[in-house]
Amino acid sequence: NAGVTQTPKFQVLKTGQSMTLQCAQDMNHEYMSWYRQDPGMGLRLIHYSVGAGITDQGEVPNGYNVSRSTTEDFPLRLLSAAPSQTSVYFCATSRGLSTDTQYFGPGTRLTVL
Amino acid sequence: GQQLNQSPQSMFIQEGEDVSMNCTSSSIFNTWLWYKQEPGEGPVLLIALYKAGELTSNGRLTAQFGITRKDSFLNISASIPSDVGIYFCASGANSKLTFGKGITLSVRP
Repeated sequence: NAGVTQTPKFQVLKTGQSMTLQCAQDMNHEYMSWYRQDPGMGLRLIHYSVGAGITDQGEVPNGYNVSRSTTEDFPLRLLSAAPSQTSVYFCATSRGLSTDTQYFGPGTRLTVL
Repeated sequence: GQQLNQSPQSMFIQEGEDVSMNCTSSSIFNTWLWYKQEPGEGPVLLIALYKAGELTSNGRLTAQFGITRKDSFLNISASIPSDVGIYFCASGANSKLTFGKGITLSVRP
């Protein structure tokens, strides 16, 4: 039972490159979300999903895309990376509501040069 | 958007001391959550509060849901070195969870 897994753990991109951050969970949770964490800014919600086939924007969605084709996976796509997207990215899941216990993955540290 | 206010950004205490931190908002919430993040890890839920006035404990941690539903408090008693980390308050509405900016706690042995 792996819980919430994220890959890669570290990534360096050049400005303009695209990439996908992977998030997978084996807890059969309906709610999945992506956050970015920057120093002094706390965790800010990028996108979230309340179930397979349903996604919506969070607080800072610009420059990111998501899809939810299965319950288990919730990938985050950076379309054209910018230095402002340098951050630590966390995926989180919960049983059904955003206020249920959120289980966070280990994070992906992304640097955009 | 909704904002949760936590201050100061950092706190430094001596091992064995008690520490209190609070979280305030201009909006009313039905749930208050407290998470802790240790270095290199994702946040972990410490305490969840679901009713105004509710006081809940988890070991040396005690949290309260403010009567006005616009604030919450977290107390840590008899601090130990492993209490170091970032403490976040969080709450949600309309399927979105909002986090405060967090308080970094340092404990001097």
